[in-house]
Amino acid sequence: DVKVTQSSRYLVKRTGEKVFLECVQDMDHENMFWYRQDPGLGLRLIYFSYDVKMKEKGDIPEGYSVSREKKERFSLILESASTNQTSMYLCASSSGGGTGELFFGEGSRLTVL
Amino acid sequence: KNQVEQSPQSLIILEGKNCTLQCNYTVSPFSNLRWYKQDTGRGPVSLTIMTFSENTKSNGRYTATLDADTKQSSLHITASQLSDSASYICVVRGTTRGGQNFVFGPGTRLSVLP
Repeated sequence: DVKVTQSSRYLVKRTGEKVFLECVQDMDHENMFWYRQDPGLGLRLIYFSYDVKMKEKGDIPEGYSVSREKKERFSLILESASTNQTSMYLCASSSGGGTGELFFGEGSRLTVL
Repeated sequence: KNQVEQSPQSLIILEGKNCTLQCNYTVSPFSNLRWYKQDTGRGPVSLTIMTFSENTKSNGRYTATLDADTKQSSLHITASQLSDSASYICVVRGTTRGGQNFVFGPGTRLSVLP
């Protein structure tokens, strides 16, 4: 079975803390994504990576950064967490070709107090 | 602007009944359309994919349709079960490069009651 694994299902952090969300995929996919999901807003793209060390900003990159040092791992970093970053964060991966199915992780629910 | 709209926003039905969810899109150029099911607190999982030349595709009790001329898709669920309670998300993929070629609808929240 293909798998996208997110390191933490639930996190509680304080305002100003640095937060790392990690995502690992075992499908040798070129593309990896970070989305946030909020009620009524659907999934919004934060960052996208199409290769190791390559990244592109999505629709809402402000307050976030990413790192992709290895093909299988894509990390989302909140340098200084704020309460408006309380959300569900979803990592996904897809192959470069084919039909481009997105495979999602189980999500990381972050609460910033 | 590329957009995906879904209706209804939420739906409540009784177990055993059928229902149909709608998706309208303006994404162009078009590559494919997928319906995803997302259980509460979990990641979305693909149910079915529709390409430009396909009109209907079934996956068990789920049947998706696509009208590429009117840019509309529907997901029909037959003989609903309690386990069908979830959000259903329509995702349209364009043909341009980049992460933003996946355009997400806001989802329809389906509740199946006993």
